[in-house]
Amino acid sequence: DTAVSQTPKYLVTQMGNDKSIKCEQNLGHDTMYWYKQDSKKFLKIMFSYNNKELIINETVPNRFSPKSPDKAHLNLHINSLELGDSAVYFCASSLKTGVNNEQFFGPGTRLTVL
Amino acid sequence: AQSVSQHNHHVILSEAASLELGCNYSYGGTVNLFWYVQYPGQHLQLLLKYFSGDPLVKGIKGFEAEFIKSKFSFNLRKPSVQWSDTAEYFCAVNARGAGSYQLTFGKGTKLSVIP
Repeated sequence: DTAVSQTPKYLVTQMGNDKSIKCEQNLGHDTMYWYKQDSKKFLKIMFSYNNKELIINETVPNRFSPKSPDKAHLNLHINSLELGDSAVYFCASSLKTGVNNEQFFGPGTRLTVL
Repeated sequence: AQSVSQHNHHVILSEAASLELGCNYSYGGTVNLFWYVQYPGQHLQLLLKYFSGDPLVKGIKGFEAEFIKSKFSFNLRKPSVQWSDTAEYFCAVNARGAGSYQLTFGKGTKLSVIP
């Protein structure tokens, strides 16, 4: 009964490969997010989807493409992986915008690009 | 756009010492404020949040934070820390209003509690 789940937990891959990270939430939330946490622990928003519609797209290389098949899922596909993509990627979800916008985070996916 | 500053990068305390972690934000409008904690190797968990009302909010594990609007601050406090409080602490702000989906985080403060 995990609220926000991500797979895989660890991902080790070679430069140039294409990989995907999956995220699912069972909270009934409308909005989902992807964050990148770098080696200095800095958390930065990458994307946000509200009810399958893209609403935030920060300055992220277009090698990163989010896909939301339904409002409970937000997957992250990364093409042509680079060394600098190594980080921990966190998925999160929240109720639709309003007063209560607490975000619930998944366990993270540690991506290592060799 | 909003921004968040956490002035302490790394704080080292002995058990039973009191804790105060600073957080300042910049945004001209109404905000929601949060403190999240990340224990080693784990995901972020919400410690406490402020949406409106009493500016002194109490969270889990004995933490509290005070919203001072005039100072744009939301400092986190705990009267007596324990070794188990060793973690990374993140302040975050969410600006209310249209399109207020974005949660902006500070750079985090690492707390090390020495037994």
